[in-house]
Amino acid sequence: EIVMTQSPATLSVSPGERVTLSCRASQSVRTYLAWYQQKPGQAPRLLVYGASTRATGVPARFSGSGSGTEFSLTISSLQSEDFAVYYCQHYHNWPPGITFGGGTKVEIK
Amino acid sequence: QVQLLQSGAEVRKPGASVKVSCQTSGYNFTAYYLHWLRQAPGQGLQWLGWINPNSGGRISAPRFVGRVTMTWDTSISTAYMELSTLKSDDTAIYYCARTKWADNWFDPWGQGTQITVSP
Repeated sequence: EIVMTQSPATLSVSPGERVTLSCRASQSVRTYLAWYQQKPGQAPRLLVYGASTRATGVPARFSGSGSGTEFSLTISSLQSEDFAVYYCQHYHNWPPGITFGGGTKVEIK
Repeated sequence: QVQLLQSGAEVRKPGASVKVSCQTSGYNFTAYYLHWLRQAPGQGLQWLGWINPNSGGRISAPRFVGRVTMTWDTSISTAYMELSTLKSDDTAIYYCARTKWADNWFDPWGQGTQITVSP
């Protein structure tokens, strides 16, 4: 299976700062990459798919980029509601199986 | 709007089975795949498998083959996931989530069902 690795595990930032989260795939997943936001006690919420397409209703301060094995999610100016855990997920169809990264927790500095 | 509503929390003893339901609304149930995932306490997300209500197909992740049974009832747009021979490390929140194709992004997700396995 494809292994997804996210870094860092935790990011301490202040509101208003720019934040970049990284996700690496163990082999190329082309642009078959999604990002999710999960707040405590809630299900994950889709933010980005196709590596760079924002899902419906997602604020423009969220942007995704990358292809192949290296991806990033950038939050241009962190808002209070953005403190959460972020997961990347590949959906390349070979080898079979859907896997997620371990997550990056964005916490208040 | 599209909604996935899951059944409530359950507690089971090791070796028992548990069945979780996912009632969908707001879309054509047979036009999408429905997946099951889980999240152990303080851990990341793990994919269990999917169903295709249109074709009748279903696929389980290799580590759950033989232990997970995924079914559905098209007449009430509801999917079910049964996990057998429960162990303590099956304690987790179980989610259902929709995709357009087998390999795709998940949107939306159900609210989650807490399954606790304890002697």
